[in-house]
Amino acid sequence: AQSVTQLDSQVPVFEEAPVELRCNYSSSVSVYLFWYVQYPNQGLQLLLKYLSGSTLVESINGFEAEFNKSQTSFHLRKPSVHISDTAEYFCAVSDRENQGGKLIFGQGTELSVKP
Amino acid sequence: SAVISQKPSRDICQRGTSLTIQCQVDSQVTMMFWYRQQPGQSLTLIATANQGSEATYESGFVIDKFPISRPNLTFSTLTVSNMSPEDSSIYLCSVGQPGTQYFGPGTRLTVL
Repeated sequence: AQSVTQLDSQVPVFEEAPVELRCNYSSSVSVYLFWYVQYPNQGLQLLLKYLSGSTLVESINGFEAEFNKSQTSFHLRKPSVHISDTAEYFCAVSDRENQGGKLIFGQGTELSVKP
Repeated sequence: SAVISQKPSRDICQRGTSLTIQCQVDSQVTMMFWYRQQPGQSLTLIATANQGSEATYESGFVIDKFPISRPNLTFSTLTVSNMSPEDSSIYLCSVGQPGTQYFGPGTRLTVL
């Protein structure tokens, strides 16, 4: 079984500041790792994912996440945030053996970017 | 990627009634999933729906409360039965493709 822990429920930051949203997971099998974003009153969108290869993955809007197997972490970072990044961010894992299989989500981190 | 639509987008229902939520995908997919997002909470998997077989429910969810149909490879329904205010949530369907899942826009349900 897998579990995901997002260590911060809320992260308030000022515009143009750097941010890190932390995610740790637990699993007895190899996993895929994902970050999803949910903007206010909108659906869930895939932000980035780690499947294999380079442990550093990037999104098109400047976010990046690094898979750290020894620390079982997949923290999300952005060097300079915008007001428009205000949203709920969810870390999730799925079992590698069951491609396209069910996702286990963390509790979510509310990122609030202030001017 | 897959384009997923859900109907209705939102509804307000009375206690004790049932609501059926539809999920339509623009391509054939083997695995479909139904999630629930309670107010201020994360997403919890209700069940996995594969075409041609019974849905597989997660712990805490039962078929009598959340019956699911999967008549073909592009469509599924989730019924929320005998609703109570505790069922007020966003219900999302998703489809699994290798290494990722795509989510529908969700159905926002309020039970009075």
